[in-house]
Amino acid sequence: QSVLTQPLSASGTPGQRVTISCSGSTSNVGSNYVYWYQQFPGMAPKLLIYKNNQWPSGVPGRFSGSKSGTSASLAISGLRSEDEADYYCAAWDDNLQGPVFGGGTRLSVL
Amino acid sequence: QVQLVESGGGLVKPGGSLRVSCAASGFNFADYQMSWIRQAPGKGLEWVSKIDSTGSIIFQADSVKGRFSISRDNAKKSLHLQMSNLRVDDTAVYYCARDGSYNLWDLSDYWGQGTLVTVSS
Repeated sequence: QSVLTQPLSASGTPGQRVTISCSGSTSNVGSNYVYWYQQFPGMAPKLLIYKNNQWPSGVPGRFSGSKSGTSASLAISGLRSEDEADYYCAAWDDNLQGPVFGGGTRLSVL
Repeated sequence: QVQLVESGGGLVKPGGSLRVSCAASGFNFADYQMSWIRQAPGKGLEWVSKIDSTGSIIFQADSVKGRFSISRDNAKKSLHLQMSNLRVDDTAVYYCARDGSYNLWDLSDYWGQGTLVTVSS
């Protein structure tokens, strides 16, 4: 059981906009930055969004992050087939004194 | 460019010990906090342990407290995870990851490719 809650799956068609939610609590999402990672099968996770809504260099602007209270969201616009991957949210947890992750959302591009 | 290369994974029996390592390059290793994060087969990500830039502050997940120990050698730009009293549910790919350089609550920005640890009799 993951500390942060994400939907198991999400899907969309090419060109659509898809959002993935991440729900936490006051000790993690509510009081610390949220990070988003993208992971392809057999590969290491890659940072997609940091500090709620910042892009690392090389990440396209089609990916965007937002946070409100104890929930966060990752939005992917102009969906492409190469966006099919697992997406994880994460945040530092003040009570556990370490990062906590969501269970991951598998995105399918139909 | 930032590179993190893990090594030392393998097959170990329950109750056994193993040390995995991470060689860092492409950045000033001594400036950054580092973490180990694992992923069991077909499962999600689980943070294991974090160490600050000097090695004086360490955080560990409850699931590994008393069994795993994180350490670093800034002169050799290396990170280590000593694992003992291993259990079947420690089976996972272990990733080395670079964290922030300022705040302890900054999470990982670069990850290695991982090393597989299999605990089985």
